[in-house]
This record gives sequence, structure tokens and C-alpha cells, in this order.
Amino acid sequence: GQQVMQIPQYQHVQEGEDFTTYCNSSTTLSNIQWYKQRPGGHPVFLIQLVKSGEVKKQKRLTFQFGEAKKNSSLHITATQTTDVGTYFCAENTNAGKSTFGDGTTLTVKP
Amino acid sequence: ETGVTQSPTHLIKTRGQQVTLRCSSQSGHNTVSWYQQALGQGPQFIFQYYREEENGRGNFPPRFSGLQFPNYSSELNVNALELDDSALYLCASSLEALAETQYFGPGTRLLVL
Repeated sequence: GQQVMQIPQYQHVQEGEDFTTYCNSSTTLSNIQWYKQRPGGHPVFLIQLVKSGEVKKQKRLTFQFGEAKKNSSLHITATQTTDVGTYFCAENTNAGKSTFGDGTTLTVKP
Repeated sequence: ETGVTQSPTHLIKTRGQQVTLRCSSQSGHNTVSWYQQALGQGPQFIFQYYREEENGRGNFPPRFSGLQFPNYSSELNVNALELDDSALYLCASSLEALAETQYFGPGTRLLVL
């Protein structure tokens, strides 16, 4: 069954507002990856976090991995219309298997 | 563009038929993974091929089978199609089996009637 749960399922924001999506697991994750999928497109790898408590930034995006390695978050500061899409978290296991959450779909109103 | 290509882009089949989907991996990549993405859901891992051998499989029945060729391109075959097989089928290539980054192709949208 699915290991990672994402909330919220949908988020509508006004351009310039912040956005956060959360990824939770009942078991300890070996790592957490984040992907972005634009409408009608394919998933694009954003980042991978491996260490407990790790924080990484990419311009307006901040990624966190929880201390217990059971949750993660993606925060976007001052959203833009180009941020529209569905954001997925996934665990990439050593067996070559990636387990994805069902994503958070972000819409941005100009 | 990721350099990963898939064919065909769209396909319509009827229940019980068989389908073959194709994927060309990015140059230099020896690993291909296949995913099924139903509408409104995240990609579900089907299996991975590394240097022509299956290297991990998700919870899909045996009627989902695959192949990887010496040039590392890959095929996904689905026999005895069911209505629930309607989905976007994505392949992703990576430099090695344990590589951090995988690059997705544009996908094949399959509709089973």
C-alpha cells in the first residue's frame, strides 16, 4: 500500500501568497524526493533530502526533512503563476522503487 | 527536454487486447523505470530495468511485463487489457539503478474501452 500521504490535496492561492505542502509517512523514510508536474506534463525532479532535519533551498522553494524522517514539507514563498502544477513527494528505495504520494495541486490566481 | 522519448503519445484499445509501449532512455543512461499514473493520483511504480535485467517490481500482476534492449531502450507490454488500465504510462531513465535523479518522458496516454 501507499507509504506517503500528502496534504492538502488542493491549494488555491493569490499570486504573492506563500504555499506549503506536507508529506507524511507512518514509517521512517530512507529519503524523500520532490517532483513538480505541470498540467498535461510529466514529473520533473526537484530535489532529494536524505539526512534527518535537512533543509535545502532553491530560490523561493524551501524543502525540509523531519527529525524523525517521517515527514517532509515544501514551502514556496511569494507564489508566481509559473508555480502552478502538482507537487509530489516520493521515497526512492534501494530496490529501485519510487513510492509517490498523490500530490498537492497548486493553482495561483493572478 | 529530458531526452527521454516515448511512443505512441496516445492509444485507444479495447478490453482483452494487448499493448506495447516504448521508451528511449536519455543518452548514457542504463536504467529505465516504468510507472502508471491514473487521473488525479501519483505515479505508481511498475518495474525497473537495469542493464537488461528486471531490478525491482511494484504491485502489478504478471500481465504487465517488460524488456530492455542492449541500447537500453525499453518496452512495457500489457496483456488482457482491463478498463482500469486506462492511465498515463511514464518511463523514467537514470544514469544508474541507484541514481538520485530520474528523468521522465512525456508519457503514453492509454484509454481502454
